[in-house]
Amino acid sequence: DAKTTQPNSMESNEEEPVHLPCNHSTISGTDYIHWYRQLPSQGPEYVIHGLTSNVNNRMASLAIAEDRKSSTLILHRATLRDAAVYYCILKNSGYALNFGKGTSLLVTP
Amino acid sequence: KAGVTQTPRYLIKTRGQQVTLSCSPISGHRSVSWYQQTPGQGLQFLFEYFSETQRNKGNFPGRFSGRQFSNSRSEMNVSTLELGDSALYLCASSLVPGWGDYGYTFGSGTRLTVV
Repeated sequence: DAKTTQPNSMESNEEEPVHLPCNHSTISGTDYIHWYRQLPSQGPEYVIHGLTSNVNNRMASLAIAEDRKSSTLILHRATLRDAAVYYCILKNSGYALNFGKGTSLLVTP
Repeated sequence: KAGVTQTPRYLIKTRGQQVTLSCSPISGHRSVSWYQQTPGQGLQFLFEYFSETQRNKGNFPGRFSGRQFSNSRSEMNVSTLELGDSALYLCASSLVPGWGDYGYTFGSGTRLTVV
């Protein structure tokens, strides 16, 4: 599996945008970029995924670099409920989700 | 639409015993995966089932096994429990197995404590 690199932790103020980076320099052409988050005492929650183009949904936006070696998850207005561990995962056919350590996001009022 | 249901939510077992955990996927989802989460190792993949067949297996000993029924419900079994098996066991369902273009929906997990 291709690996991803994320900062261990980030901090944001409530109601401000948050940009969570992910490096994946060994990504292959068929790897999808997935983001999941895990709130305390809950199972992981799917956030968004994409292949080459930027993606938007009700939860977040995913910006993918042109060379696909990095991506950024964007939370447009962080709330206290967004405090979680965010995982950037490369997903290809036949392989399980490799969660890694993720980024622990702290949101302060 | 009901989510992924895992039962029981909490379980306490004694070393040497065996345990069976259950997972009901989202209606229409035919793929079920299992993960173990511990503070030291994080989230680790156990196995994935589709159409009652194991398609993928993680690096766990043979004491960990699973199966999937014709209605897509899945069970995992751990025999001869060890203290190190204490963990949160998570089940995830997906429409299509293993494909990158679909997300997974996770249950809330079963917290297993081995004493």
